[in-house]
Amino acid sequence: KNEVEQSPQNLTAQEGEFITINCSYSVGISALHWLQQHPGGGIVSLFMLSSGKKKHGRLIATINIQEKHSSLHITASHPRDSAVYICAVRSYGGSQGNLIFGKGTKLSVKP
Amino acid sequence: NAGVTQTPKFQVLKTGQSMTLQCAQDMNHNSMYWYRQDPGMGLRLIYYSASEGTTDKGEVPNGYNVSRLNKREFSLRLESAAPSQTSVYFCASSEFGPYSNQPQHFGDGTRLSIL
Repeated sequence: KNEVEQSPQNLTAQEGEFITINCSYSVGISALHWLQQHPGGGIVSLFMLSSGKKKHGRLIATINIQEKHSSLHITASHPRDSAVYICAVRSYGGSQGNLIFGKGTKLSVKP
Repeated sequence: NAGVTQTPKFQVLKTGQSMTLQCAQDMNHNSMYWYRQDPGMGLRLIYYSASEGTTDKGEVPNGYNVSRLNKREFSLRLESAAPSQTSVYFCASSEFGPYSNQPQHFGDGTRLSIL
């Protein structure tokens, strides 16, 4: 079983829709990261969370430590939001300085 | 701002050839990382350097060597390339060490094919 599971794997939405991407993990963590990988391949860090909720523009990230679950929400989605969204966790006492990455959720927003 | 710069962007090698992937950051970050990304898998850490002068193995170090040349530069070397090393390679950096929970800044990646 993967330590970080994302759902859905693929998501197609119409422009303007509210989008939710989920991340569940099975280890104790000190922090969770959400990253965005553009179609051209570049990766950008969106959020780092250890508790609660963070908001940046139309993006909102939440985390529930007790349930070992995080969500990334996109409000009023736009075609430029099309990308792969990656969840990564830093486990307590994580060996070798590793972040543990999910496989990503591929989002396509249609105009 | 350049951020993290990787060279080359694309490379095709024959099995057994060697090459070095270059990475440089201009953010005065202390820590640097090399990852590989394969289809259907999450990013996996190859090697990292928590600070200038130190390097440590990650999850998948076999077949690779690294050099932290100075605070800015961290290179990844394939001594004898194998088809299993066909992948997209990402370099990243962070201000403080890997246990500090700082965000990592990524380069644009190097697409490497081994024939």
